[in-house]
Amino acid sequence: EAQVTQNPRYLITVTGKKLTVTCSQNMNHEYMSWYRQDPGLGLRQIYYSMNVEVTDKGDVPEGYKVSRKEKRNFPLILESPSPNQTSLYFCASSLYLAPNNEQFFGPGTRLTVL
Amino acid sequence: DQQVKQNSPSLSVQEGRISILNCDYTNSMFDYFLWYKKYPAEGPTFLISISSIKDKNEDGRFTVFLNKSAKHLSLHIVPSQPGDSAVYFCAAYTGNQFYFGTGTSLTVIP
Repeated sequence: EAQVTQNPRYLITVTGKKLTVTCSQNMNHEYMSWYRQDPGLGLRQIYYSMNVEVTDKGDVPEGYKVSRKEKRNFPLILESPSPNQTSLYFCASSLYLAPNNEQFFGPGTRLTVL
Repeated sequence: DQQVKQNSPSLSVQEGRISILNCDYTNSMFDYFLWYKKYPAEGPTFLISISSIKDKNEDGRFTVFLNKSAKHLSLHIVPSQPGDSAVYFCAAYTGNQFYFGTGTSLTVIP
C-alpha cells in the first residue's frame, strides 16, 4: 500500500531533550516536506526537500533540522525542544515539487513539550 | 502574517444542499491553489486544485472558483453528503512553498 508513515504518532517530552520524528514514504517520491498544524494558524511549512541531499527552509524552520540521506526517509530533528514546539506535525511527499502534483500526507505526530 | 485566510471556522449544511467554503489570500504571487480535506486523526488528503490562469475547475461534486481580482477562491460541494463532514484547508503555492489557511470545519447534517 502506497503510504507515508510517521513515528511516533504521539510523544510527550521535556524541554531540551533532543528528539527525532521519522517520516518514510514507499512511493519513490522525490519531494518531501514537514508541516506543523496549530490552532488558528493552519498548517505551516517547516522544511522541504526536493531530492536526496537537497533541503530548504519553509516558513517556520527555527528550532528544527532535517536531513535527506535516502529518498524514502526525511526525519525531523528537534535538537532542544521548547514548549512552543508543542504541535501536530505532518510529513508529506509528492512525486516531485510542482503545485499540481498531489501531496500525500502522513497521519500526523502529536508532540507535547513540557 | 497569514497570507491565506479562511474566515469561517465552521459551516453546517443539510444533506443534499450546496456547501460553499471560502478562502481569501493576500499574496498576488500565488500561482496555484489547492483544497485539502482532513478527517480527525488522519493527514490531509488532496481534493481539487486550480491554476491562477483559470477561474473554474470542476471534479464531480466539487468545483473550485477563483476570483483573482478579489483574491478570493471558493469550493462548492453539490450535493453535500454526510461523508463530506471534515475540515477543509485551502492552500496556495509560490516560490517552491505551500501556504495553508486555518481550515473550515464542515458538518453535513443528514
